[in-house]
Amino acid sequence: GENVEQHPSTLSVQEGDSAVIKCTYSDSASNYFPWYKQELGKRPQLIIDIRSNVGEKKDQRIAVTLNKTAKHFSLHITETQPEDSAVYFCAAPRSGNTPLVFGKGTRLSVIA
Amino acid sequence: EPEVTQTPSHQVTQMGQEVILRCVPISNHLYFYWYRQILGQKVEFLVSFYNNEISEKSEIFDDQFSVERPDGSNFTLKIRSTKLEDSAMYFCASRREGQGTTEAFFGQGTRLTVV
Repeated sequence: GENVEQHPSTLSVQEGDSAVIKCTYSDSASNYFPWYKQELGKRPQLIIDIRSNVGEKKDQRIAVTLNKTAKHFSLHITETQPEDSAVYFCAAPRSGNTPLVFGKGTRLSVIA
Repeated sequence: EPEVTQTPSHQVTQMGQEVILRCVPISNHLYFYWYRQILGQKVEFLVSFYNNEISEKSEIFDDQFSVERPDGSNFTLKIRSTKLEDSAMYFCASRREGQGTTEAFFGQGTRLTVV
C-alpha cells in the first residue's frame, strides 16, 4: 500500500519569503498528487494538484514539482502572506487509484 | 458550486452509544469516502464505497463501523458502540470518478465527541 511521508511538520517564514514543503511516496504506480490546505476547524481544500505526466505545475504563487524517479513531490509558495498560514497536507492514491493517503501535515505560520 | 454536505456539524454521545453520521455527496459523483482526523493529527482513510458496496477499508474500519447508502443521496457512517478514542472530526468525501487523477471534495466535517 501507499506510504506518504511529509516534512517539515512545522514551518515558520517571514511574510514575503518562500515556503517549501516536501513529500515522498512509496507506490510507483501512483499518478496523482494533490495538495490540500486546511484552516483551523475547516475541511481540507484542494489548492493544487499534479498528474504524473508533468513535472511542474504553477498557479499564481503556488507551484508543485514532481520527481517520479525519486518518488517525491513538493509544494512551493512564493511571496507568502499571513492568510497562507494553515496546515498543508500532501496526498497520493493507494495503488494508483483511490482512495487518497495523506501525509502527516505541515503547519505553516507566516509571520507578518 | 456543488459541495459535499455533512450533518450534524457536532455530535456528542455517551460511550457505548451508537451514532450515525450523515453525508450528502455531490450529485453526479460515484465514489464516496469517509476519513477521520483526530485533533491535531493527519487525515486518515476509513473506507471507500462504490456501486453500493465497500471497495476498500483501512485497519481502523473494524466491525464497529458500517456504511450505507440508504437512498440516492445520503451516505452514512455508523459506529455501533462508541469508544472514547472515536472522538475525532469525521470527513466525508466524494469523487466523480474512481481513478486517482480526479479531485476528492470534502464535506465540512462532523466533530464527534464521545464522553
